[in-house]
Amino acid sequence: AQTVTQSQPEMSVQEAETVTLSCTYDTSENNYYLFWYKQPPSRQMILVIRQEAYKQQNATENRFSVNFQKAAKSFSLKISDSQLGDTAMYFCAQGTSYGKLTFGQGTILTVHP
Amino acid sequence: EADIYQTPRYLVIGTGKKITLECSQTMGHDKMYWYQQDPGMELHLIHYSYGVNSTEKGDLSSESTVSRIRTEHFPLTLESARPSHTSQYLCASNNGGLNARNTEAFFGQGTRLTVV
Repeated sequence: AQTVTQSQPEMSVQEAETVTLSCTYDTSENNYYLFWYKQPPSRQMILVIRQEAYKQQNATENRFSVNFQKAAKSFSLKISDSQLGDTAMYFCAQGTSYGKLTFGQGTILTVHP
Repeated sequence: EADIYQTPRYLVIGTGKKITLECSQTMGHDKMYWYQQDPGMELHLIHYSYGVNSTEKGDLSSESTVSRIRTEHFPLTLESARPSHTSQYLCASNNGGLNARNTEAFFGQGTRLTVV
């Protein structure tokens, strides 16, 4: 069974600064994938970034990057140059080739002007 | 935007009524999922399907039922709605496979259900 843990229920950051959201997971699978999703208030859940577990290189997408520590089963998300539009609930998720994703509890991020 | 659609977006209904929440996707995905989410809270998987005529219960017990008669369609039904069913219901789909791009799940906009 997979578990995903986000230990930060809420985070806040000033506009233009950097914030890191934490995520740890546990799995017995050898081949798996990790994701960060963003859910803005009253809006659709969208993918922020994805990472294959077999790749050592950390994924980056513009202002978003991850710190993937496979041995520690850690997958944190760093948001650089935070913008007001980054205010949302962020979910860490782990999936396997079967397709089913396991989500963490979520972290509410508020970006202050 | 992802090609996965949920209707209705909002529904207020009386106790005891039968309701069906619709979910359709045009991406040809094999796998579809229903999640229940209270506002600002985590997602709970209540049903999933790995293909036509395949349905399974998720991690959270739910009184709802689902069907998968067509690949693109995965409706959720509550035979007799109760106030405890008040929540947001999210539908998602993916293919699964040997890379993260295929395993990425796409979400609908959700149905916010209120049972009075």
